[in-house]
Amino acid sequence: ETGVTQSPTHLIKTRGQQVTLRCSSQSGHNTVSWYQQALGQGPQFIFQYYREEENGRGNFPPRFSGLQFPNYSSELNVNALELDDSALYLCASSLLAGVVEQFFGPGTRLTVL
Amino acid sequence: DAKTTQPTSMDCAEGRAANLPCNHSTISGNEYVYWYRQIHSQGPQYIIHGLKNNETNEMASLIITEDRKSSTLILPHATLRDTAVYYCIVSDTGTASKLTFGTGTRLQVTL
Repeated sequence: ETGVTQSPTHLIKTRGQQVTLRCSSQSGHNTVSWYQQALGQGPQFIFQYYREEENGRGNFPPRFSGLQFPNYSSELNVNALELDDSALYLCASSLLAGVVEQFFGPGTRLTVL
Repeated sequence: DAKTTQPTSMDCAEGRAANLPCNHSTISGNEYVYWYRQIHSQGPQYIIHGLKNNETNEMASLIITEDRKSSTLILPHATLRDTAVYYCIVSDTGTASKLTFGTGTRLQVTL
């Protein structure tokens, strides 16, 4: 069984650019959640996708958007990057939308200069 | 969601029990207590959750006070591999997979 994988591992962008981060969910999981973790802070919920539809969103602006594909992999897109977007972006998958146990990937470290 | 308060850091000797406290005095009746941990350079890992009864699994035990205003996560025999940041989160089942983590407790297990 393959766990949650994310790509790329690290990424450096400049202010104003756009970025796409990718996540492959654990086998059999149809729900993917994205989190942002700033340095020294706990992860903050961005949004969740369940069967290709957005299923809840945290307190993040519309320039944070996502997609989920038929194979349940997912993308996180961030437009008009700001310095404060520098963070570790975590993807988590779960068997169903309401299931407690989430399995997290190792994250993508985004640095915005 | 109710807020939680945890100590910033704790130390524990290897082989001893690690008891990590969490205060959640504003918890609502339908809110669960969830514990995750995050080992350095990894994503968070689910540990355990509970509503009002004590819970135990292969990783840990969760003790929730009768008034549900606080809880304790117990790692019965801590090892060096248990060194991590431990997060206590309170949330209802509808948002069980849409959690917002606090800053947690950094547990350092030493020889």
